[in-house]
Amino acid sequence: GAGVSQSPSNKVTEKGKDVELRCDPISGHTALYWYRQRLGQGLEFLIYFQGNSAPDKSGLPSDRFSAERTGESVSTLTIQRTQQEDSAVYLCASSSLRVDTQYFGPGTRLTVL
Amino acid sequence: EDKVVQSPLSLVVHEGDTVTLNCSYEVTNFRSLLWYKQEKKAPTFLFMLTSSGIEKKSGRLSSILDKKELSSILNITATQTGDSAIYLCAGGSEKLVFGKGTKLTVNP
Repeated sequence: GAGVSQSPSNKVTEKGKDVELRCDPISGHTALYWYRQRLGQGLEFLIYFQGNSAPDKSGLPSDRFSAERTGESVSTLTIQRTQQEDSAVYLCASSSLRVDTQYFGPGTRLTVL
Repeated sequence: EDKVVQSPLSLVVHEGDTVTLNCSYEVTNFRSLLWYKQEKKAPTFLFMLTSSGIEKKSGRLSSILDKKELSSILNITATQTGDSAIYLCAGGSEKLVFGKGTKLTVNP
């Protein structure tokens, strides 16, 4: 597609439920990133996929968070047993190999009640 | 620990004013410095800077990188209300470290 797409755009869930967030990167982009942005805060790196290499999971805040990517396409970020502090906008970005410019999707606003 | 610090955190100006936003970085594996504009959810790309001292311009916006001082500035001249946004700075290579942003409000 023309840009990075994410779904859903908004998600409201109850504490303790699992959620799955989806990201479709720009076609041909080998790198894909997930970030979390809490209200009034900067972007917090979560995880980075580059081609078929092992993902860099160094930013995942707890073992309740996991992400997968199928080849060089779609990625899903899963949050298990959601907590209220997980409420944030989750942003996905993609970039070409060895080009540092990341292009962002519209984000998913997650609200945990 | 890698960090990117932006200043000021917020700024309120009147239309027509010129503003300068600051970014300093301490990032291992540094290759590029990027500026983004965030109005609602998705940050939109403005500039990528890799060479020191070379100004990049796009309309009323310009930016320059100083690798000696580990810093960059973003200038906006003749500001308009549509420039109101959070401006994010990020440094790194494949992995970017983001600053917390400068919230710019341009009043009519």
